[in-house]
This record gives sequence, C-alpha cells and structure tokens, in this order.
Amino acid sequence: DIQMTQSPSTLSASVGDRVTITCRASQSISSWLAWYQQKPGKAPKLLIYKASSLESGVPSRFSGSGSGTEFTLTISSLQPDDFATYYCQQYHGTFGQGTKVEIK
Amino acid sequence: QVQLVQSGAEVKKPGASVKVSCKASGYTFTSYGISWVRQAPGQGLEWMGWISAYNGNTNYAQKLQGRVTMTTDTSTSTAYMELRSLRSDDTAVYYCARDLPLIAAAGADYWGQGTLVTVSS
Repeated sequence: DIQMTQSPSTLSASVGDRVTITCRASQSISSWLAWYQQKPGKAPKLLIYKASSLESGVPSRFSGSGSGTEFTLTISSLQPDDFATYYCQQYHGTFGQGTKVEIK
Repeated sequence: QVQLVQSGAEVKKPGASVKVSCKASGYTFTSYGISWVRQAPGQGLEWMGWISAYNGNTNYAQKLQGRVTMTTDTSTSTAYMELRSLRSDDTAVYYCARDLPLIAAAGADYWGQGTLVTVSS
C-alpha cells in the first residue's frame, strides 16, 4: 500500500499569510494527487486534482505543485474562509492524515 | 445541477450488515465512477473503494477486502455500498462522491451529504 505523509498536522496562521502544506508519498504516484478542504460537519471539497489543476470555482489563491513523491498545497494569502482541515489523496485511494489550519 | 443524495442514518448491532445508497442526478451516471469515503468521529478521511458506473470495475481498500461490496444500478442512477460483519470501529459518517470513470480516487468533485452509521450493541 502507498502511504501518504502530510505535514504539518496543525498550522497556526493569520489572515494574509502564505501557507504551505506538504504531502509525501511512499512511492511515486506521478501527478495523481488531489487536495481537499473540509470544514466541520461538512463533506470534503475538491480544490486541486492531478497535483496542480485547479478545480472549477476554487479561488486562484490555492495552488498545487509537485510530482513523483513530493507535493505541496499553497494558499497565497490566507482568507477567513480558509480556516479548515486539508487532506491530500493519492490515486490508489489513501488520504494523508490531514492538516488543520487554525487562526493564530 | 449535479446532486448525490444518500440514504438516512442507520444504527446496527455488531456483526450485522449495512447497505448505504447514493442516488445521482444532474449528470450522465455511466460516464463517471463513485468513490466511497468514511470518517470516524473526530478522525480523518478513509477511502473505502471505488466503482466505475461506466464498466462496473471495482477497487477496494485492502483493509476492507472481503467485507465491502460496491454496486451500481444504472437504471436508477444509484450506487450502493454494503459493509458486512460490522464492528464498533465501523461507526462513521459514510460519503459517496463522483469520481473518474476509469481511475479510482483521481479527484472527487461532487459529494453526497453523508450517512451516519452507528454500530452499537
């Protein structure tokens, strides 16, 4: 099974900050990685697919990069609506353990 | 508009089975796949598996092999997930989500509202 290691587990940041979350795969997954945002009590929301493709309707402050085993999700300027938990997922199914973005 | 509407909450005893439905509308059902994801209380997301509504292929999480079956009924645009031999640690919110038709877990763009399954004696 391919393991996904996401870091950090928790991130404290302020509105306007640039935020980066990392996801590492235990073996190469090419560009088959997706990023999701989840708020409490809600279903996940797709942000990025195929490592760097922005899902329709998602603000351009979200971007994804990487290939092979190392991937990043970047929020260029954190907005109040962005405080949530973020998950990566590789195409064989495994999710990362999640990164909670909290208000500093 | 694309919608996935799941069946209601269930309470089951250990050892029983549960079958959750996911009715799709607003798109061509057979042009996509359906992934199933669950989330135990206070925990992260766990991928359970995927079924292609295009060709019926399935791909299950290794951890659940032998206990889970995913099916589709193309005549009603409905996907089903059955989990057997339930244990207390199967207590979770179960989600269905629209995914690609030929590749599992490539990016699920629409999600159901979730179904709470509680396993308790």
